[in-house]
Amino acid sequence: TQMTQSPSSLSASVRDTVTISCRASQGINKYLAWYQQKPGKAPRLLIYDSSNLQSGVSSRFSGRGSGTDFTLTIADLQPEDVATYYCQKYDSAPWTFGQGTKVEIK
Amino acid sequence: EVQLVESGGGLVQPGGSLTLSCAASGLTFNIFEMSWVRQTPGRGLEWISYISASGAIKFYDDSVKGRFTISRDNAKKSLFLHMSSLRPEDTAVYFCLSAGNWGPGTQVIVSS
Repeated sequence: TQMTQSPSSLSASVRDTVTISCRASQGINKYLAWYQQKPGKAPRLLIYDSSNLQSGVSSRFSGRGSGTDFTLTIADLQPEDVATYYCQKYDSAPWTFGQGTKVEIK
Repeated sequence: EVQLVESGGGLVQPGGSLTLSCAASGLTFNIFEMSWVRQTPGRGLEWISYISASGAIKFYDDSVKGRFTISRDNAKKSLFLHMSSLRPEDTAVYFCLSAGNWGPGTQVIVSS
C-alpha cells in the first residue's frame, strides 16, 4: 500500500489554518498516524488511529479520515509548528510512511 | 518518562555487518511491540522491521528481508537489529520506536 501526501510543502501565515492530505492506495480502516519532525530531531507522534490526539499534543492539531483519505489540520498556525509532517499506516506490514509535507511560515 | 536510546551505528564497508541496539526505560518493555525505522535525505522515513511484544512475530520490509534480523531481550529491556550484507543504500539514521516513542537515532554509513 502506497501512502501519498499532499502538498509536499506549504507556506502559510501565523494564525492561519492549514490542512495536509494523506491518501492510501488501499483501504487502511482508521490505522493512520501523523508525526511532526523538526530538523535534527526524531519524529514526534501527534495523532493515532486517524483522529486521536496523543497526550501532551496541542489541541490545535486534529486529524480525520478513514479508509483511504485522511487529513491533518493545524489551526492557528504558530512559528513552533514549522516542521515536516508525515503520515504512516499501521493496519498491516509494511507500515509505510508518506513522503512528508514541509510546513513553513510566510 | 519513556526513553529509547539507540547505539551501535558507525562506518562499515559494503558487504559488512553491524548490530544496532536500543535500550528502553520508563515503560513496561515486555508488553510493547517495537519497530525499527530509518531515514535518509533522499528517501524520507522508511519502516524496516517490527517485532511483537513476545518476540514471536516479526515482519520486514522487502528492502531488508533476508539481510536484517530483529530481536529483543525483554529481561534486559533491549531491542536489536542485526544487519548483514550491508549496501551503500542502507546508509541512514536508524530509529527504534514503540508506542509512539522514538529514540534519537544512530547513524549508519555504508561506504568503502
